[in-house]
Amino acid sequence: GEDVEQSLFLSVREGDSSVINCTYTDSSSTYLYWYKQEPGAGLQLLTYIFSNMDMKQDQRLTVLLNKKDKHLSLRIADTQTGDSAIYFCAEEPGGYQKVTFGTGTKLQVIP
Amino acid sequence: DAGVTQSPTHLIKTRGQQVTLRCSPKSGHDTVSWYQQALGQGPQFIFQYYEEEERQRGNFPDRFSGHQFPNYSSELNVNALLLGDSALYLCASSLVGGNTEAFFGQGTRLTVV
Repeated sequence: GEDVEQSLFLSVREGDSSVINCTYTDSSSTYLYWYKQEPGAGLQLLTYIFSNMDMKQDQRLTVLLNKKDKHLSLRIADTQTGDSAIYFCAEEPGGYQKVTFGTGTKLQVIP
Repeated sequence: DAGVTQSPTHLIKTRGQQVTLRCSPKSGHDTVSWYQQALGQGPQFIFQYYEEEERQRGNFPDRFSGHQFPNYSSELNVNALLLGDSALYLCASSLVGGNTEAFFGQGTRLTVV
């Protein structure tokens, strides 16, 4: 079955880089996602990567995928206080559109 | 494009009652999925509707049911509410067969007292 694991908490200083890690179990996953959730709000899709890619960069965000170890990471460059939120890693087996989420990593940015 | 819209935004119900939550998908999307997010947890998949049929279902009891209308909008119904049903209910829409990601609504916060 699918299982997605993340560390619960990360604290960084403003201006530093943040790296949030995730491991997943379903080797058939086609899409791997990073979502952001601010307090009291829904989910905001930050970025996603296809399973046939190793890396994807989008402005301050860099996603790295290690398929062998089933490890996904999200790097946020120049972290700002507005980046404080909970970040969810999620996987989706190809063609099924049923997304399995991790428990989320709370990112705290210290001014 | 209004994206995915859900109503109501907040709801308080009494244990044992029934509730209906509504979702309008993003324009052009034909598939709606529902998720339950308990406090401090990641969202859990409830079920998915496509062509007015339930296509997939997560590990939720039969008290949770749904419907999809010809205009692709959807309802989530929960009967015999329990305190443990208190959560944020999220709707996501997508396009079946396309390489498109799911878009989420802002959710309905259900509190069962």
